[in-house]
Amino acid sequence: DTGVSQNPRHKITKRGQNVTFRCDPISEHNRLYWYRQTLGQGPEFLTYFQNEAQLEKSRLLSDRFSAERPKGSFSTLEIQRTEQGDSAMYLCASSSRGAIVVADTQYFGPGTRLTVL
Amino acid sequence: AQTVTQSQPEMSVQEAETVTLSCTYDTSESDYYLFWYKQPPSRQMILVIRQEAYKQQNATENRFSVNFQKAAKSFSLKISDSQLGDAAMYFCAYSNDYKLSFGAGTTVTVRA
Repeated sequence: DTGVSQNPRHKITKRGQNVTFRCDPISEHNRLYWYRQTLGQGPEFLTYFQNEAQLEKSRLLSDRFSAERPKGSFSTLEIQRTEQGDSAMYLCASSSRGAIVVADTQYFGPGTRLTVL
Repeated sequence: AQTVTQSQPEMSVQEAETVTLSCTYDTSESDYYLFWYKQPPSRQMILVIRQEAYKQQNATENRFSVNFQKAAKSFSLKISDSQLGDAAMYFCAYSNDYKLSFGAGTTVTVRA
């Protein structure tokens, strides 16, 4: 079990550019989540996948954001036409859906820190 | 929508002493999970402890324990015998389905 990995760890871009982040979940986990964390705040939910299906998107996820999880393995989060307000840490988490539990325990990756100049 | 409140932005504790972090939440659900996560500076978030709402017994993990008061919607974390490695931001989180709702966090500093 190698844990959740995210790449890149840091990304600096200019306003208006597109960026893409990748998340590799724990291998047997069928659920994958994206969160956004701004400095000094708790993470906020963006979206989640069960296998390859994207089942919910937060209102925080504007039309400039898109996420995919092809074949239910790794996931990518793309931000088009970046804005300075997009600067944040983007966290990925994964979990294994239990049969009888109400909520899963989510395991987080190290995050991708995005800075938009 | 569920809200999670951590009213202590910062807490300081002497090494080997005990510190308690407070957390309150708002929900109309009867079955849910509560979590405490630790986020050291520039490092990834790790799970400290979790509590199922249907369990009356408070969860314990080594030096970490919780005081879960369901009626009061309170979920505090006690760190006993504090160590320098406990210095981090601690987040309380709630979930009753797929997503976590986090509080704003409490920064814990440990004095040697």
